[in-house]
Amino acid sequence: KAGVTQTPRYLIKTRGQQVTLSCSPISGHRSVSWYQQTPGQGLQFLFEYFSETQRNKGNFPGRFSGRQFSNSRSEMNVSTLELGDSALYLCASSFPSGTRTNTGELFFGEGSRLTVL
Amino acid sequence: DQQVKQNSPSLSVQEGRISILNCDYTNSMFDYFLWYKKYPAEGPTFLISISSIKDKNEDGRFTVFLNKSAKHLSLHIVPSQPGDSAVYFCAASTWRGNKLVFGAGTILRVKS
Repeated sequence: KAGVTQTPRYLIKTRGQQVTLSCSPISGHRSVSWYQQTPGQGLQFLFEYFSETQRNKGNFPGRFSGRQFSNSRSEMNVSTLELGDSALYLCASSFPSGTRTNTGELFFGEGSRLTVL
Repeated sequence: DQQVKQNSPSLSVQEGRISILNCDYTNSMFDYFLWYKKYPAEGPTFLISISSIKDKNEDGRFTVFLNKSAKHLSLHIVPSQPGDSAVYFCAASTWRGNKLVFGAGTILRVKS
C-alpha cells in the first residue's frame, strides 16, 4: 500500500514568512503526528491529530500549528519563520493511540526539508 | 531535558561483527520502546520494539534488550552488514502512545 506522502519535499523561505506543509497518511491510518528533526537534536514531537482534533502537543511556540481534515490528511503551518526553524519536518501516520491495532509503531514520510534564509 | 539519550554519536564496526547501540532514558513512565533506522533523504523506518514487561525481543539479526532498573536499552545487530549503515534512533512512549520521545541518534558505519 502507498506510504505516507509529504509535500513539498524541499522549500526555501526567508525570515518572517510563513509555510504550510502537507501530509497524506497511509490509507486506513487516522492518526497523524508531526516531528521536527534538526542535527544533534533527534526528532522532536510537534503534535498529533486524530479525527480532526489535536490530541497531543509538544513544547513548541504557538507559531507552529496544524490541522487535520476529514479524510485524515494533515497540514502544519509555521508562521513568522525564524532561522532556527530550518529543519526536516516529518509526518507519521498510525492507528490511534490506545487502540488494539496500535503497536506504537509510526510510519514516517520522507519529510519536508525547510531552509529559512 | 533529554528524557531519551543516545550518548554515542557514532559507531564504526567491521562487517560480520556485532554492533551494539545503547540508549538511556530517565522517565519511569515510559513502557514501550522502539528503534528506528534512517537512511539519508528517507524517513525513519521501524526496526524493532519492546514492551516494558519484557527484557528481550528478537527479530532476525536484531535483538533489543531492556534493563528497567538501569533505565537502559540496547540494540544488537549480529552479524552486521554494510547495508546496516544508517542513523539509528531510540524512542520511547507511554502505553503505545503516538507521542514518541526520540534520542539524538547514533550513526552506524559498517565497514566491509
